[in-house]
Amino acid sequence: EAQVTQNPRYLITVTGKKLTVTCSQNMNHEYMSWYRQDPGLGLRQIYYSMNVEVTDKGDVPEGYKVSRKEKRNFPLILESPSPNQTSLYFCASSLTGTLYEQYFGPGTRLTVT
Amino acid sequence: QQPVQSPQAVILREGEDAVINCSSSKALYSVHWYRQKHGEAPVFLMILLKGGEQKGHDKISASFNEKKQQSSLYLTASQLSYSGTYFCGTVPDNYGQNFVFGPGTRLSVLP
Repeated sequence: EAQVTQNPRYLITVTGKKLTVTCSQNMNHEYMSWYRQDPGLGLRQIYYSMNVEVTDKGDVPEGYKVSRKEKRNFPLILESPSPNQTSLYFCASSLTGTLYEQYFGPGTRLTVT
Repeated sequence: QQPVQSPQAVILREGEDAVINCSSSKALYSVHWYRQKHGEAPVFLMILLKGGEQKGHDKISASFNEKKQQSSLYLTASQLSYSGTYFCGTVPDNYGQNFVFGPGTRLSVLP
């Protein structure tokens, strides 16, 4: 089954404790992206990756890192999480670039206390 | 800068029509529309590319006016399954590959 998977689905952590949210897709997609979703703000892009060689910032990259070492995986790293990063996070992938539909993962609900 | 979506929320009865608008202050190359049901991930509806193309499938269609940097999503003869939050995702007309989504429009269809 074609899908985007994220782990963990739920995470409660404390301020400053490094964490990684994994994202993997099995559709051989080139483009992958991370979003955060907050009430009233919709989806805001954190980072995107055109392919394994090109990664760029979205609208809200501060406090986040990403890594694209292989095509199928695109982990999101929070080196020192803060309470304002409490949010619902979605990973998405598309065949290539912005001309194709994005497939979203199920989401990761992160709480930072 | 996020595009503006209007209305913020709308309540319909089954069979009624609705229009959701998306307006950007920047020149756009494309507009994507997604629907998200409560507790689920967004699901793709359609893409409209620069050129004023109108698209549709079933009873959901959309238009894109690149000169006005606006897109509209039309839902006709709404069904209960249309309930959810609709997001427009805009792609700037500057060879960029990033998405900027609107804040969403919550649509509720009542029996």
